[in-house]
Amino acid sequence: DAKTTQPNSMESNEEEPVHLPCNHSTISGTDYIHWYRQLPSQGPEYVIHGLTSNVNNRMASLAIAEDRKSSTLILHRATLRDAAVYYCILRLGMGAGNMLTFGGGTRLMVKP
Amino acid sequence: GEEVAQTPKHLVRGEGQKAKLYCAPIKGHSYVFWYQQVLKNEFKFLISFQNENVFDETGMPKERFSAKCLPNSPCSLEIQATKLEDSAVYFCASSSQGNTIYFGEGSWLTVV
Repeated sequence: DAKTTQPNSMESNEEEPVHLPCNHSTISGTDYIHWYRQLPSQGPEYVIHGLTSNVNNRMASLAIAEDRKSSTLILHRATLRDAAVYYCILRLGMGAGNMLTFGGGTRLMVKP
Repeated sequence: GEEVAQTPKHLVRGEGQKAKLYCAPIKGHSYVFWYQQVLKNEFKFLISFQNENVFDETGMPKERFSAKCLPNSPCSLEIQATKLEDSAVYFCASSSQGNTIYFGEGSWLTVV
């Protein structure tokens, strides 16, 4: 499976934008880039996903490098509730049964 | 239901005892996944089902672990003769056609 590399932790101030980087240099053409986050004592929660083009939804934006070897999750205005572990995951294709392979994730701390 | 429901939330077992965890996927979802999370961040994929059929069992330990998804019943994950190293949070997730996998809140297993 293609692997992802993320910083162990990052800090942000409340109300400021946050850019969470992810490297995936061995990504294949059929891998989708997914982001999930895990709030304390909860299960992982879907954030966003993309293939080649940048994506926006109500939670975040996903910026994907032209060569697809890296991506950045952007939280436009961090809130205290965004403190979580963020996982960048490569998922093979579009099959609903394809599993997610989690890496170590980035622990985001948000300061008031 | 509208969420993945896992029971019990907490389970304590003595070494050598059996542990059984249950998962009700979101209504209409045909795929069910089981993950094990040890030491906070590390997720390990165990097994997935498409309806009542095993879809992918590449992560399932060969001994002591078994899982089922039977029609009209919650899915289950059973660990025979638990060991201390089985202490973890076990997450169930479900999906349908589409890219989002929905996770439950997890079952915390403590083996003493």
